[in-house]
Amino acid sequence: GEDVEQSLFLSVREGDSSVINCTYTDSSSTYLYWYKQEPGAGLQLLTYIFSNMDMKQDQRLTVLLNKKDKHLSLRIADTQTGDSAIYFCAESIRGGGNKLTFGTGTQLKVEL
Amino acid sequence: NAGVMQNPRHLVRRRGQEARLRCSPMKGHSHVYWYRQLPEEGLKFMVYLQKENIIDESGMPKERFSAEFPKEGPSILRIQQVVRGDSAAYFCASSPRVQGRTDTQYFGPGTRLTVL
Repeated sequence: GEDVEQSLFLSVREGDSSVINCTYTDSSSTYLYWYKQEPGAGLQLLTYIFSNMDMKQDQRLTVLLNKKDKHLSLRIADTQTGDSAIYFCAESIRGGGNKLTFGTGTQLKVEL
Repeated sequence: NAGVMQNPRHLVRRRGQEARLRCSPMKGHSHVYWYRQLPEEGLKFMVYLQKENIIDESGMPKERFSAEFPKEGPSILRIQQVVRGDSAAYFCASSPRVQGRTDTQYFGPGTRLTVL
């Protein structure tokens, strides 16, 4: 079945690294995505990883995928106050018609 | 290249009225998806459309909700006889959708529906 879970809150200090975690249950996932949502705004695509990859790095963002444990993480290096937002992981499933299943979102708060 | 456009951004309706939400996909995208975000929750898939076709409506409530994506013009999500539980943010996404593989979805800013 489809179920994506995330912890609800994360607080970090400016300049530290943030690690946002996500677990999913469907082993048929093809792509896994990270989206960022700022208050009152839509979703901004940050990065994505194909399910046969272990890691993807894009500037300050590093995505790690442990397919055996169905665990996905997003690491933000040198976290800034502008990174404060809600972060959603999402999966698309082979044969699922391209629809995305989203996690509940992790609210990241960056403190000075 | 303009992003996904949605209007209105905010919509207030009284119980029993109709709500019509519009979505114009990114240029060159022929696939549209609608998602609903209830307060304090993640997004839930509602419907996936191509031009003049509904591909997957497994997330649509069986009654009062309908969606279309005509040959010309924006995609429309229509909610008839709205109830307070319909209050949510409705997001549209689009993708170019290459046959045989998954394509990234780009989201619009959303329409926030409030039912009084």
